[in-house]
Amino acid sequence: QKEVEQNSGPLSVPEGAIASLNCTYSDRGSQSFFWYRQYSGKSPELIMFIYSNGDKEDGRFTAQLNKASQYVSLLIRDSQPSDSATYLCAVNRLDGNEKLTFGTGTRLTIIP
Amino acid sequence: DAGVIQSPRHEVTEMGQEVTLRCKPISGHDYLFWYRQTMMRGLELLIYFNNNVPIDDSGMPEDRFSAKMPNASFSTLKIQPSEPRDSAVYFCASSPRTGVSGANVLTFGAGSRLTVL
Repeated sequence: QKEVEQNSGPLSVPEGAIASLNCTYSDRGSQSFFWYRQYSGKSPELIMFIYSNGDKEDGRFTAQLNKASQYVSLLIRDSQPSDSATYLCAVNRLDGNEKLTFGTGTRLTIIP
Repeated sequence: DAGVIQSPRHEVTEMGQEVTLRCKPISGHDYLFWYRQTMMRGLELLIYFNNNVPIDDSGMPEDRFSAKMPNASFSTLKIQPSEPRDSAVYFCASSPRTGVSGANVLTFGAGSRLTVL
């Protein structure tokens, strides 16, 4: 079992709709959770992070965390063509080791 | 700030040759990470440094790989000898000292695309 699992996609969403990206993790010791966006041929860039169970909103983005279910998701409201990218989920144990473990990413395509 | 700077951006070499990838982290960042990205395996952590000291090198695939950080502004990742299976994009990333919350906010460089023939 992979430490961080994501559906590779592609996930196609109409412009203006809500895109929902999901991620599960196997290590119950994971404490911090990150979403990175990677455009084709570019490097990953941080969108947001979350530590506590529940929702965290930042503009059009909402991260949702459920530690009991070992599940983290990212919602993108009012999807735009510029949101078309690969979204990477990453986790960290916060145990003194700064290792960030990434999933293989979900490719999202916003259809105009 | 110019961000994390990596060189070369592209490297094509033949099997058996030595490859050296270079990275300049963001000034003031205490942590430096080397990741490798392939389609099959995604982003894999190879090694990370804290204040120039290697902390976790468990991701380094084998003895052919080595990494150094002689000072706070420079790091190298060396592969000797290189093999076709080393073909990948190698990313360097840096992050500031983590706070109480432990936020591990990485800023990535543009990457070095390595092709070993």
